[in-house]
Amino acid sequence: ETGVTQSPTHLIKTRGQQVTLRCSSQSGHNTVSWYQQALGQGPQFIFQYYREEENGRGNFPPRFSGLQFPNYSSELNVNALELDDSALYLCASRAAGTIFRTDTQYFGPGTRLTVL
Amino acid sequence: GESVGLHLPTLSVQEGDNSIINCAYSNSASDYFIWYKQESGKGPQFIIDIRSNMDKRQGQRVTVLLNKTVKHLSLQIAATQPGDSAVYFCADAGGTSYGKLTFGQGTILTVHP
Repeated sequence: ETGVTQSPTHLIKTRGQQVTLRCSSQSGHNTVSWYQQALGQGPQFIFQYYREEENGRGNFPPRFSGLQFPNYSSELNVNALELDDSALYLCASRAAGTIFRTDTQYFGPGTRLTVL
Repeated sequence: GESVGLHLPTLSVQEGDNSIINCAYSNSASDYFIWYKQESGKGPQFIIDIRSNMDKRQGQRVTVLLNKTVKHLSLQIAATQPGDSAVYFCADAGGTSYGKLTFGQGTILTVHP
């Protein structure tokens, strides 16, 4: 077990709706990254949050946004859902910039989002 | 653009055999690589990592080899067991100022009893 949890496990939405996915990072980890994994593909980096601020983003449009909270939890928000947003959404956490720094990212189990 | 790719999308082995999974990367600035195992319905699980100042690193039943000259990684699993059946990804974590991981498509490893 990595200590990273995600909710919900599964979610079904319709096109145009908005969705919020949640992640609880491993204790002591101040950095969280979100990834999208389409079926049969490797995870694709969406963005990273460090100390509650976004400090890196992949090739995803602005309708993908996030938040990170002081208690190590974070959210991924997706507006105006499209059919192609159907995927497994993963969060990963690590400790950066501290004496407990680790480059290794530990993943949660993911949230399976289906857009109809 | 940057990419991390795998030579073989599927690999079938018998229980007890050694398995070798290969991976190529394109970013010459990459300095840190990770192998992940992903079982059906689960998130990627850390297996082993290696930095660019090393050529080889060993863990429990696993060895990662890094050839920076040809930008190639391999994961060797000794005495493969049915529980090793999963999708294996190599990920490139270096070369950026933040912890973005660039994954390949993955190799499906199937271990037959």
